[in-house]
Amino acid sequence: AQSVAQPEDQVNVAEGNPLTVKCTYSVSGNPYLFWYVQYPNRGLQFLLKYITGDNLVKGSYGFEAEFNKSQTSFHLKKPSALVSDSALYFCAVRSGTYKYIFGTGTRLKVLA
Amino acid sequence: DSGVTQTPKHLITATGQRVTLRCSPRSGDLSVYWYQQSLDQGLQFLIQYYNGEERAKGNILERFSAQQFPDLHSELNLSSLELGDSALYFCASSVGGQPYEQYFGPGTRLTVT
Repeated sequence: AQSVAQPEDQVNVAEGNPLTVKCTYSVSGNPYLFWYVQYPNRGLQFLLKYITGDNLVKGSYGFEAEFNKSQTSFHLKKPSALVSDSALYFCAVRSGTYKYIFGTGTRLKVLA
Repeated sequence: DSGVTQTPKHLITATGQRVTLRCSPRSGDLSVYWYQQSLDQGLQFLIQYYNGEERAKGNILERFSAQQFPDLHSELNLSSLELGDSALYFCASSVGGQPYEQYFGPGTRLTVT
């Protein structure tokens, strides 16, 4: 079965420190991977995607993600966290049958 | 503002009723997606339309149906509503049918009493 796992419900990090939000996936065929962010009472906003090519993907607001095929992971990273990065982050994968599967979300809290 | 509009913003209705949620995609986008977000189920993909045709179907109940019209707006119809259907329903759009990024609307909050 195809799935996405975000093992951490919440990640706390101090402002200025690097942050990592973890995501692992299971999908048949080539994975198409995405990260989205959701602020309170808002729809999701696209951050970045991996389709093919370079394993390190750069996205919006200074975020990047590393695709690791052997570990089936697509962790979201940022070198220096901001308080304004505090939000709910979703990892998603599109399967070969065009279905989109979202993880359960990780709440990021950046402490001042 | 993503450019995707959804109406209404809030909807309160009773069990057994039928409602229609409406979505207008970004200008030029051909694909429309519907999602259900609830506390216990998370974000669930319901269905995708591409240029008027159904492209993919996810965890959509038989009581639910959707369509995309020639002007590319889409409607999600929910019937025989149950308390468990209370959720936030999002519409998203993308340029085409390939794995492009999706742009999400603000959502419709449905409360079934």
